[in-house]
Amino acid sequence: DVKVTQSSRYLVKRTGEKVFLECVQDMDHENMFWYRQDPGLGLRLIYFSYDVKMKEKGDIPEGYSVSREKKERFSLILESASTNQTSMYLCASSPLGGRAEQFFGPGTRLTVL
Amino acid sequence: RKEVEQDPGPFNVPEGATVAFNCTYSNSASQSFFWYRQDCRKEPKLLMSVYSSGNEDGRFTAQLNRASQYISLLIRDSKLSDSATYLCVVSGGVYALNFGKGTSLLVTP
Repeated sequence: DVKVTQSSRYLVKRTGEKVFLECVQDMDHENMFWYRQDPGLGLRLIYFSYDVKMKEKGDIPEGYSVSREKKERFSLILESASTNQTSMYLCASSPLGGRAEQFFGPGTRLTVL
Repeated sequence: RKEVEQDPGPFNVPEGATVAFNCTYSNSASQSFFWYRQDCRKEPKLLMSVYSSGNEDGRFTAQLNRASQYISLLIRDSKLSDSATYLCVVSGGVYALNFGKGTSLLVTP
């Protein structure tokens, strides 16, 4: 079974802090994704990566950056957390090709105070 | 226009009922179609892929109508455990999938 893990299930941070969310997948997938999910807004793509050191902006990249130094790991960075970044963050991976199913991690519920 | 549109519901149905969800998509070039299920406070998980000829998996049937650009999911003999949010998903660009906002289903005793 594909396994996608995220570093924390729940996280509480203060405004202005730098926040790192880590995601690791064990199926040698080329593509990795970061989404946020908010009530009424559904899943929104923040960034994705189709190869090591490659990244592409999604629909809502402002206030976020990403890092992919190894194939299995994709990090989401909030440079200076703000209260409007309180959300559920979901990482996903998929094999090569945009038509493939995505496998999700359990999510990180981030609260910024 | 949104890429993928679904009726948010909620759909409240009694156990044993048949319920159908539809979604429409805007990109006529889309090639892959899925239904995902998301339980409360959990991650989305693939329920089934949707093929051009339609496909069935137990009590679940998915249909694709390319001409009208809509996808449907039919659930027969609903169970309490079917209560969840169902996400319609359509391939977008080269790498991405477009997710609908989901349709909420509550199956009651």
